[in-house]
Amino acid sequence: DAGVIQSPRHEVTEMGQEVTLRCKPISGHNSLFWYRQTMMRGLELLIYFNNNVPIDDSGMPEDRFSAKMPNASFSTLKIQPSEPRDSAVYFCASSLNDLAGVTSYEQYFGPGTRLTVT
Amino acid sequence: KNQVEQSPQSLIILEGKNCTLQCNYTVSPFSNLRWYKQDTGRGPVSLTIMTFSENTKSNGRYTATLDADTKQSSLHITASQLSDSASYICVVGDREGNKLVFGAGTILRVKS
Repeated sequence: DAGVIQSPRHEVTEMGQEVTLRCKPISGHNSLFWYRQTMMRGLELLIYFNNNVPIDDSGMPEDRFSAKMPNASFSTLKIQPSEPRDSAVYFCASSLNDLAGVTSYEQYFGPGTRLTVT
Repeated sequence: KNQVEQSPQSLIILEGKNCTLQCNYTVSPFSNLRWYKQDTGRGPVSLTIMTFSENTKSNGRYTATLDADTKQSSLHITASQLSDSASYICVVGDREGNKLVFGAGTILRVKS
């Protein structure tokens, strides 16, 4: 298996521009997570989906951030408009949960997208 | 507020030596505790995952312990290797297990 795939690996954009990050989870996994990592705050959960449905988006910093999962094999995280303080590494992770969504199953992380907003 | 605190912040040891990393948490209710290894420029990789009923779990030279009463965990690395140089992150899952709270990590450097 190729693991969790993220694109792009690096993104440099100017303040005010729209940024879209992409993720392909491991085939067969039914939960997907978006995280942000910075030196100051470490890893933070932004949002997670179970069976393509957003379950908890309380970590999304503000309305400029939005995430979608149109099908089981693809998700996007969009920032519009982007700001310099959004600069971070964004990770996508996936896992296989039971039908009730209660799990202690392992989360597999992608390689991350390093976003720089100037 | 749910928190996970790790110590030390960073650590340098000689190749072949053992070391122990500490994790204290206040997450409640608690479902599971995980230790991840993150190499520079890469995503975290799971080392161990324990439920509240487990006291210890090993993965090769890595052994994690958990005391759910005192809300403490440790990760012991035996016979360290240069490739162990990484950030080690303690992560606690809430009741449902999905919402993870991350510690800030311990940066370990193994030198020859």
